[in-house]
Formats: sequence, structure tokens, C-alpha cells
Amino acid sequence: DVKVTQSSRYLVKRTGEKVFLECVQDMDHENMFWYRQDPGLGLRLIYFSYDVKMKEKGDIPEGYSVSREKKERFSLILESASTNQTSMYLCASRDPGHEKLFFGSGTQLSVL
Amino acid sequence: SQQGEEDPQALSIQEGENATMNCSYKTSINNLQWYRQNSGRGLVHLILIRSNEREKHSGRLRVTLDTSKKSSSLLITASRAADTASYFCATDKAGTALIFGKGTTLSVSS
Repeated sequence: DVKVTQSSRYLVKRTGEKVFLECVQDMDHENMFWYRQDPGLGLRLIYFSYDVKMKEKGDIPEGYSVSREKKERFSLILESASTNQTSMYLCASRDPGHEKLFFGSGTQLSVL
Repeated sequence: SQQGEEDPQALSIQEGENATMNCSYKTSINNLQWYRQNSGRGLVHLILIRSNEREKHSGRLRVTLDTSKKSSSLLITASRAADTASYFCATDKAGTALIFGKGTTLSVSS
């Protein structure tokens, strides 16, 4: 089975900190995605990557950046964390020829 | 954004009853997918229906798609307590990422 691993299940950070959320997949998928999930708003796309060193902005990229130096790893970076970035962050991956997404378990980030 | 909208936002039923959730979307799509999320966890893919299909079945799940109305429905028959979860539709258009709706929270009581 495909495994998508997010490095932290829960994370507490302070306002202004630089935060790294890591995601690793073990199935050699080309496409990887970062979503955030908030109550009443569903899942919103932050960034996605079609391949190594490629990135595309999603619907809400402001305040975030990403890094994809290796195919299996896609990192989400909060350059200067703010309280409105408190959320559940979900990473997902898929192969271009297969439509369904495989999700990690999520990282619940609290910014105080 | 072509975000889908699920309806209802919340649904409470008894075990053994059927649960129906609806999804509407805004633009043309290649396929529509339904996902399930247990509380506080990642999403799991349930079923995919392509734009040229009208109905699809998988176990106790039945999905319909009406591209003229830009809508889909997910029917879960003979619901069980273990079906309690949030359900999301997601639309897929070539060359872009999946766009998810806000979800329907299903509660099945025994």
C-alpha cells in the first residue's frame, strides 16, 4: 500500500517562527500536494508539485512556500508563522496516470 | 475556484438507514471523486466516477453523476456506526489539482 508520512501529528509553534512541515511518500509518485483544512471551509489547496523542483500555487499560497528537492519529499514552509495559520495540514500524492489521491494522517498545527 | 459544495452539511441517521449526500460543482470536469475522513485523520479515497459515466457502485456505495446539472450524489446503503465520518467530494480537471468541497458530516447511531 502507498504510504504518505507526515513528520508530526501535532505541532505547537510561536508567532513569527519559521515552521517546516515535512511529507514523504514511498511510491515514487510524481505529484504531491499540500492542503489545509479548517472547520466550515473544507480542504483548500496551498501548493502542489508535478515533479522534482517544480511547484504551482494553489488557492491560498500567501504566507507559505514549498520545497521539492527529492521526488519522495515535499516540504511546506511557513516563513513567519501567524495565528491565522493554525490549522490541520494535509499532504497527498498521486501518479499522473492514476487519479486518486493518497493522504497522510495530517499535522495539526497550533500557532500561539 | 471550482470548489464543490456538499449538501447537507450534517446528517444524522440510525443504523440500517440509507444516507444520501449531494455535491454540486461549477465547471466541467474529467471525473468526480468521493473521500471519507475519520475524525482528525487523513482522507481515504472511496470511489471515482468519470464524466462519461452516470452511475457507479462499490459495495454499499452508489454514486451518480449528472454533468448537465453539475451535481453528484453518494448513497450509503444500510449504514453502520462505523460509517460515522466526514465525506468530501472532489472534482478533477486535467492539468490541475483536485478541488474539494466543504464536506458532509455523517453520524450513524446504533
